[in-house]
Amino acid sequence: DTGVSQNPRHKITKRGQNVTFRCDPISEHNRLYWYRQTLGQGPEFLTYFQNEAQLEKSRLLSDRFSAERPKGSFSTLEIQRTEQGDSAMYLCASSPDGSGEQYFGPGTRLTVT
Amino acid sequence: GNSVTQMEGPVTLSEEAFLTINCTYTATGYPSLFWYVQYPGEGLQLLLKATKADDKGSNKGFEATYRKETTSFHLEKGSVQVSDSAVYFCALSDLYSGAGSYQLTFGKGTKLSVIP
Repeated sequence: DTGVSQNPRHKITKRGQNVTFRCDPISEHNRLYWYRQTLGQGPEFLTYFQNEAQLEKSRLLSDRFSAERPKGSFSTLEIQRTEQGDSAMYLCASSPDGSGEQYFGPGTRLTVT
Repeated sequence: GNSVTQMEGPVTLSEEAFLTINCTYTATGYPSLFWYVQYPGEGLQLLLKATKADDKGSNKGFEATYRKETTSFHLEKGSVQVSDSAVYFCALSDLYSGAGSYQLTFGKGTKLSVIP
């Protein structure tokens, strides 16, 4: 069990550029979550996949954000036309069931300059 | 909607002191409650959980009891160590918060520093 991995760990981009993050969940987990965490705050839910189906999206997920989980394995989160307000830590978590117990990756820290 | 309120930090304690971090919640259903911990430079880790009223979660000397009557889930440890220095997050998960996603709703976190 290698845990949840995320790449890249850090990303610095200029405003207006597109960025894509990748999450590899624990292999037998069918549930995958994305959260965003800003400084001094707890993580906030962005979106949820069960297998390859994206079943829920937060109102925080504007039209510039898109997430995919092809074949129910890894997931990608893309932000188009980045804004300075997108600067945050983006966390991925996976879960084997609906217990609420989730396993988190180390996160991708995005800085938009 | 669901929400979690936890005591603001930072909290600084001497080694072997008693720790309490208060957490209260608001939920529409019957949530499960969690404490997650984030050690410096590491990702969030589940510390303990409780799934129904009066359940006590425990791990690594930490304890928290699910109190439905006071909607609380306070974290306690009898004797903290320097290695307990971290940020602690209270969270809840509720079947009714969203399309059965069991998404976690977190508090803002409490930073604990333990000095020798």
